[in-house]
Amino acid sequence: EAGVAQSPRYKIIEKRQSVAFWCNPISGHATLYWYQQILGQGPKLLIQFQNNGVVDDSQLPKDRFSAERLKGVDSTLKIQPAKLEDSAVYLCASSLALDPRPNEQFFGPGTRLTVL
Amino acid sequence: AQKITQTQPGMFVQEKEAVTLDCTYDTSDQSYGLFWYKQPSSGEMIFLIYQGSYDEQNATEGRYSLNFQKARKSANLVISASQLGDSAMYFCAMRRPSAGGTSYGKLTFGQGTILTVHP
Repeated sequence: EAGVAQSPRYKIIEKRQSVAFWCNPISGHATLYWYQQILGQGPKLLIQFQNNGVVDDSQLPKDRFSAERLKGVDSTLKIQPAKLEDSAVYLCASSLALDPRPNEQFFGPGTRLTVL
Repeated sequence: AQKITQTQPGMFVQEKEAVTLDCTYDTSDQSYGLFWYKQPSSGEMIFLIYQGSYDEQNATEGRYSLNFQKARKSANLVISASQLGDSAMYFCAMRRPSAGGTSYGKLTFGQGTILTVHP
């Protein structure tokens, strides 16, 4: 079974530029999560989707971050404009259910963003 | 609010020895779940072990065991017989139920501990 796919794996941009990350969850997984992992810290949930609806975006900086999952499958996370403090690894995860069993939330390899 | 604290930025262990990674948590919820994940240099988070707050027995999964002390709000990970492949970042995490009593899968992570296994 294919895992969670993310692209690109690495991205370097200058501040004030825009960037987009893509995530393709495991086939059939209705729930999709985007986490931000700043160097030296644990991941922090940015947004959670159930199919194409948002379940939780309480920690998403909505003035510059946006995310969509239009067809309820793959998802795009965008930052516009980027700031230096957005340098981080952006992890996508998926689960079959909104309330997954403990071992049923699967993570992708992440996209490492560097903002110069 | 929930908080996870991992006070060991880095740990070293000799191959085949056991090692304990510390995790303390803070929550006002009665029902919650505690997780440990491994993050190798490749980046993905790998689920290791889970302990529910109402579980009476400490969780075990192969070489991993969770030393759960509810009154002290600690959930330490014990890795027995360390292997070179265990070298990675380890995260403790918590999941709480939503207001309706159903967890929505959102994980709150600690800062992580880098484990290095020496041959």
